[in-house]
Amino acid sequence: AQTVTQSQPEMSVQEAETVTLSCTYDTSESNYYLFWYKQPPSRQMILVIRQEAYKQQNATENRFSVNFQKAAKSFSLKISDSQLGDTAMYFCAFMRVQGGSEKLVFGKGTKLTVNP
Amino acid sequence: GAGVSQSPSNKVTEKGKDVELRCDPISGHTALYWYRQSLGQGLEFLIYFQGNSAPDKSGLPSDRFSAERTGGSVSTLTIQRTQQEDSAVYLCASSLRWGQPQHFGDGTRLSIL
Repeated sequence: AQTVTQSQPEMSVQEAETVTLSCTYDTSESNYYLFWYKQPPSRQMILVIRQEAYKQQNATENRFSVNFQKAAKSFSLKISDSQLGDTAMYFCAFMRVQGGSEKLVFGKGTKLTVNP
Repeated sequence: GAGVSQSPSNKVTEKGKDVELRCDPISGHTALYWYRQSLGQGLEFLIYFQGNSAPDKSGLPSDRFSAERTGGSVSTLTIQRTQQEDSAVYLCASSLRWGQPQHFGDGTRLSIL
């Protein structure tokens, strides 16, 4: 079974600085998707960024970028120029393509606090 | 609507009662998912619907849990004879098709007294 590990339960960063959230996963699959989701106190899960395993180029979305190391099974999220609105729980998630079942497997999450 | 809609937002019920949670996916999305988020277990997959295919029920924790998706759109998650360990936030998500990102609703917070 696939597992996703986020080793940092909590992190904090000063506004305008850069922070990196770690994620590792375990799978024997060669083709899969990886995601970072953000969950603010409002509870809604918001997609931050997506990476396709067969693409070597790291995904970027404005201030958010990933460092995808397939061989190491590592998928870290870098947030540049942190803003107060980035304060949230961040979940790393793995999606295996398996006979039509596309369930997400989530890590336990990292609580990020951006301080003014 | 523009996003995934879930109702009710909050539900408080007594142990042993049945509850129904509703999810209205984004229009045109063929895939629909239910997840459960609890303090002890994190985010867990419950069930997945894709078009007219048989659903993937592999995540349902017991036979007290069931779900339907009528007309390829609205889904209802039913929990019978609720137990205190069923207390959690139940999240619904939908996606356009295979491999596309899942878009989540705001969830239903279920509290069992």
